[in-house]
Amino acid sequence: GAVVSQHPSRVICKSGTSVKIECRSLDFQATTMFWYRQFPKQSLMLMATSNEGSKATYEQGVEKDKFLINHASLTLSTLTVTSAHPEDSSFYICSAPPTGGYEQYFGPGTRLTVT
Amino acid sequence: LAKTTQPISMDSYEGQEVNITCSHNNIATNDYITWYQQFPSQGPRFIIQGYKTKVTNEVASLFIPADRKSSTLSLPRVSLSDTAVYYCLVGDNNFNKFYFGSGTKLNVKP
Repeated sequence: GAVVSQHPSRVICKSGTSVKIECRSLDFQATTMFWYRQFPKQSLMLMATSNEGSKATYEQGVEKDKFLINHASLTLSTLTVTSAHPEDSSFYICSAPPTGGYEQYFGPGTRLTVT
Repeated sequence: LAKTTQPISMDSYEGQEVNITCSHNNIATNDYITWYQQFPSQGPRFIIQGYKTKVTNEVASLFIPADRKSSTLSLPRVSLSDTAVYYCLVGDNNFNKFYFGSGTKLNVKP
């Protein structure tokens, strides 16, 4: 099946710094990608939809100035957590449906810890 | 998007068949039903997708009644490695967003 990768797999940063997480579709193109956040023992929460060549659309309650999304190519979307705080510590997961396909493929996730 | 309701948790023993039911009373005509499996600290993994009646693949079967207001994921002869959270999602295939429900935590015991 199709593969979605994320980098880094885990990152620790200091409060107030920014962290960038990459999501790549390795063997297919994706005009749309999705970003989720998952806290321990909770379900995935959709944060935003990343659209290639245009602005991301954010779910209600998600601060777009804090979670910057860039979808610069058909295989790469990035999520930047700006001015990170300990409450941003979470598991961030991206997903992508192949163009013309019907199934969403999920990345392995990125564990962010803000100290 | 149709909201889904699943049992929070289920217990089973190795070798048993497990059936997890999901309710989606407000499913739309264009919506498909998709099930994912998630292990701790990993991204969800696709299990099976269907629109109506029955779908079977190498790992599971999906049963959907005629009114499509519910669906049942059937896992034959589970093993310890099937211990995971299982999510039922409903959405159309125009790559609309997936909103995850609470999922079902399946605990397989030896």
